[in-house]
Amino acid sequence: QKEVEQNSGPLSVPEGAIASLNCTYSDRGSQSFFWYRQYSGKSPELIMFIYSNGDKEDGRFTAQLNKASQYVSLLIRDSQPSDSATYLCAVIGGGYNKLIFGAGTRLAVHP
Amino acid sequence: DAGITQSPRHKVTETGTPVTLRCHQTENHRYMYWYRQDPGHGLRLIHYSYGVKDTDKGEVSDGYSVSRSKTEDFLLTLESATSSQTSVYFCAISDGGAGETQYFGPGTRLLVL
Repeated sequence: QKEVEQNSGPLSVPEGAIASLNCTYSDRGSQSFFWYRQYSGKSPELIMFIYSNGDKEDGRFTAQLNKASQYVSLLIRDSQPSDSATYLCAVIGGGYNKLIFGAGTRLAVHP
Repeated sequence: DAGITQSPRHKVTETGTPVTLRCHQTENHRYMYWYRQDPGHGLRLIHYSYGVKDTDKGEVSDGYSVSRSKTEDFLLTLESATSSQTSVYFCAISDGGAGETQYFGPGTRLLVL
């Protein structure tokens, strides 16, 4: 059974701090990794994807991938209260682009 | 929501009745997916489609069937609804490009009494 694990949180950070969200996966053959953000009562929206080892930056967001350790993380710099949401890690699991999701980490950014 | 609509957005039904949820896309994407989301479980794949009339089961397919007769429409049917199928259902689409990204519809909240 392919699995994706996330700490459910809540992760509480002060406004302006760096939030660090972590995810581990069980399938060593996984190639593509995704971070989605989901506000309460809304649908998941893509933040970014990564498939090469190392860092990928997009604005205040940085995804980090370490395939040897089967670990992917998301850093949010200068966290804002509007970043308060659940962050879902997902991995391509098998053919036809099927995604396996972690249960999500709830982030709370307080002023 | 990337040109994806779901209907109905909310539904209350009784145990034992059939229910059909519709996903409609205007993006002409090849792949379509149905997920359910429950507290503590994240998103779990029910069924997916890789083309018109081409569908397959996902992780939690028992009690569900799907059909795709047109590129733009993907239907999910609960053959005989049970209380354990109370959930939020999301449809997603993908064209297989841009990192194989999936884009999600607004969701349907289903309550089975």
